[in-house]
Amino acid sequence: GAVVSQHPSWVICKSGTSVKIECRSLDFQATTMFWYRQFPKQSLMLMATSNEGSKATYEQGVEKDKFLINHASLTLSTLTVTSAHPEDSSFYICSADLTRSYEQYFGPGTRLTVT
Amino acid sequence: QKEVEQNSGPLSVPEGAIASLNCTYSDRVSQSFFWYRQYSGKSPELIMSIYSNGDKEDGRFTAQLNKASQYVSLLIRDSQPSDSATYLCAVKNLNNNNDMRFGAGTRLTVKP
Repeated sequence: GAVVSQHPSWVICKSGTSVKIECRSLDFQATTMFWYRQFPKQSLMLMATSNEGSKATYEQGVEKDKFLINHASLTLSTLTVTSAHPEDSSFYICSADLTRSYEQYFGPGTRLTVT
Repeated sequence: QKEVEQNSGPLSVPEGAIASLNCTYSDRVSQSFFWYRQYSGKSPELIMSIYSNGDKEDGRFTAQLNKASQYVSLLIRDSQPSDSATYLCAVKNLNNNNDMRFGAGTRLTVKP
């Protein structure tokens, strides 16, 4: 399957600081990438859809000014958690569409802990 | 009604048995259906995709789709302890920005 990478794989930050997470499609171009969040023992929750060259589409209840998404190229999307708080601690996972097959491949995820 | 529903389990089967995982969806115009496996602490891994009614087999896995009943299932033959994971059913509407909706997942335990 297609390869999607994320960096960092885990990060610990202090409350009030910002954290940037990178998502890259390594062997294909992705016009659309998705950002999910998963709390322990819960299902994946779609946060936003990231489209190359245009503004991201956020799901209801997700603050676009807090979770900044930039999809500057066909292989890179970034999620910045601004002014992070302990309740933002979660597992953040990106995915990318393999357009020709409609399949979606996930990155390995980034575990964020805000102290 | 949730868009994608799965029995949360846990589902426990003995090693070598067939594990049957079920999923129903509410959006009749859904066009693509997927099964992902997620080990604890890891991200989901795509194991099967199915787009038309009927069965699709890949090794020990068989996906079954019935669009009239809005039902998709996954059978795992000769279950192994390494199959123990949470299985996520996902549904995509290609006309709706391609975003994928996930069920809550069914936790499967295969006992040696």
